[in-house]
Amino acid sequence: QQQVKQSPQSLIVQKGGISIINCAYENTAFDYFPWYQQFPGKGPALLIAIRPDVSEKKEGRFTISFNKSAKQFSLHIMDSQPGDSATYFCAATRNQGGKLIFGQGTELSVKP
Amino acid sequence: GAGVSQSPSNKVTEKGKDVELRCDPISGHTALYWYRQSLGQGLEFLIYFQGNSAPDKSGLPSDRFSAERTGGSVSTLTIQRTQQEDSAVYLCASSLLAASSYEQYFGPGTRLTVT
Repeated sequence: QQQVKQSPQSLIVQKGGISIINCAYENTAFDYFPWYQQFPGKGPALLIAIRPDVSEKKEGRFTISFNKSAKQFSLHIMDSQPGDSATYFCAATRNQGGKLIFGQGTELSVKP
Repeated sequence: GAGVSQSPSNKVTEKGKDVELRCDPISGHTALYWYRQSLGQGLEFLIYFQGNSAPDKSGLPSDRFSAERTGGSVSTLTIQRTQQEDSAVYLCASSLLAASSYEQYFGPGTRLTVT
């Protein structure tokens, strides 16, 4: 019930393409779903986040789509760039904060 | 402004020794979290401090692990009698936890290697 499942494990996209990473959760008590971006040797950096009362949130080239009934959410990176090459983690939490439950991570490589 | 800082950035220790890892959260953030990142286990929650409340220790893997937060600011994670399976990157995060702010901001981590 506490797990967040993320796919794919790795993803290769051409420059200018759309990168899509998916996550699924079981615990309906989760009330906050962030995405983090991590470069080698660095800590995870918050990219974008959504709450379950919203079906979509867009910030620049990054969009979260949220399907509450299916208990799934996804990250879309439009016009992917080589600089987007990193590991992406979805996460979930409940009770207005507290511990983040992370997905397993997706290693994204954007080819020039 | 300054982000979350952690020290040391790297620590190599011998099996059986104790280690202390330090975290300085973002000024004014009331919540502080420790996570561990390893190849086999991904990102795992360890412990969470929020204000003066009792910490959530539910993620600590054994009683060799402990953490404290002094004065509501700096935190130290202590691992006693280190084992090779403790080798990982230990990440600290902090959060304002205001009414509309759940965001957790991570430090760069401490890479621990137990030989």
